[in-house]
Amino acid sequence: QVQLQESGPGLVKPSETLSLTCAVSGYSISSGYYWGWVRQTPGKGLEWIGSMSHSGSTYYNPSLRSRVSLSVDTSKNQFSLNLRFVTAADTAVYYCARGSSGWSHLDYWGQGTLVTVSS
Amino acid sequence: DIQMTQSPSSLSTSVGDRVIITCRASQSIDNSLNWYQQKPGKAPKLLIYAASSLQSGVPSRFSGSGSGTYFTLTISSLQPDDFATYYCQQSYSNPTFGGGTKVEIK
Repeated sequence: QVQLQESGPGLVKPSETLSLTCAVSGYSISSGYYWGWVRQTPGKGLEWIGSMSHSGSTYYNPSLRSRVSLSVDTSKNQFSLNLRFVTAADTAVYYCARGSSGWSHLDYWGQGTLVTVSS
Repeated sequence: DIQMTQSPSSLSTSVGDRVIITCRASQSIDNSLNWYQQKPGKAPKLLIYAASSLQSGVPSRFSGSGSGTYFTLTISSLQPDDFATYYCQQSYSNPTFGGGTKVEIK
């Protein structure tokens, strides 16, 4: 059974970098599929942040592209999100997910982690 | 970005009722449309992909249809476990989600 688990700080200061990691079990991320991040806020709903193929190609939401980077650590079977220069608007529940058929549909999700941006 | 509009935003209904949720895209997305169910405090769960394909393990009372700009999610006979919020998502271009439809108990 594929499982994803987010980890990282729950509180980040404005202008700093939000860093989250998603540990994957039950499947080797280097074997296939796409892997990425979605966030959810009461105001904007669900928002795709970015995704990456198992071979390392990355795709970012144009509205966040200048601040986002994704990376993968195949030795630990995990992937990571960095979001720079955060503001209160980046406060959200962040989910990692697996994409099937490219990043077509998301068939496995982490449980989500709340990140609050505040001084 | 392609905008996804769901209706209604909420509905009150009873166990056993037939429920239909609609999702409209701001431009044609062929059949690149997925449906998710989300319960409070939980991650979304994939129900339907490619407009009408049932995800493995999802009960057959859920079905999807549509193409182009108009799509529907139908729950043939609502069960107690189905009270939740439902989202559509397009995968034709940079993924975007609808605003959600909350299905509540009447």
